[in-house]
Amino acid sequence: DTGVSQDPRHKITKRGQNVTFRCDPISEHNRLYWYRQTLGQGPEFLTYFQNEAQLEKSRLLSDRFSAERPKGSFSTLEIQRTEQGDSAMYLCASSLGGDKYFGPGTRLTVT
Amino acid sequence: GQNIDQPTEMTATEGAIVQINCTYQTSGFNGLFWYQQHAGEAPTFLSYNVLDGLEEKGRFSSFLSRSKGYSYLLLKELQMKDSASYLCAVRAPTTDSWGKLQFGAGTQVVVTP
Repeated sequence: DTGVSQDPRHKITKRGQNVTFRCDPISEHNRLYWYRQTLGQGPEFLTYFQNEAQLEKSRLLSDRFSAERPKGSFSTLEIQRTEQGDSAMYLCASSLGGDKYFGPGTRLTVT
Repeated sequence: GQNIDQPTEMTATEGAIVQINCTYQTSGFNGLFWYQQHAGEAPTFLSYNVLDGLEEKGRFSSFLSRSKGYSYLLLKELQMKDSASYLCAVRAPTTDSWGKLQFGAGTQVVVTP
């Protein structure tokens, strides 16, 4: 197993465009988390899945953000009508109840 | 409110010891984690404390006092590759928020020759 993977690693988009990120967790990990990290700050929790069920969403996740985990394996995070304030590193993590393992992240730049 | 505080930056010499303090005030507690994060990379797990006391793992040790809302990460025999940001994170109770982590802003450790 190669750990948590995320795609793409970098994304540059113009304000107002939609973007979608993908996360492939460690196989058999039933819990999947999305975090957002801006420069000089720690990661902030966005949302959490247990298998295919989205059990919690942060208030940070406005209605422009949507996340899915359709088959309880990979997950996607979509941002509609991107704004410059969305520029950040988007981190995915997975766990089987214990330690969380983070992916390399997707760095989003909105111009 | 919920708050996790750690110093912004620390500088130490190669071969020395550095102690990174973390204080927390959170609405629930189910363990404290330390992660290392090199610039542009994902956080990597270093240590986990859920009971009071010291956990040692090679050159890294972590201490927890739940009554004081305090933890520290001790890095011994510093190496240049230890230059990174060190993140303190508190895990929420699983009955509440399914183990999500609340992170501090991170402490940038700079190791000099």
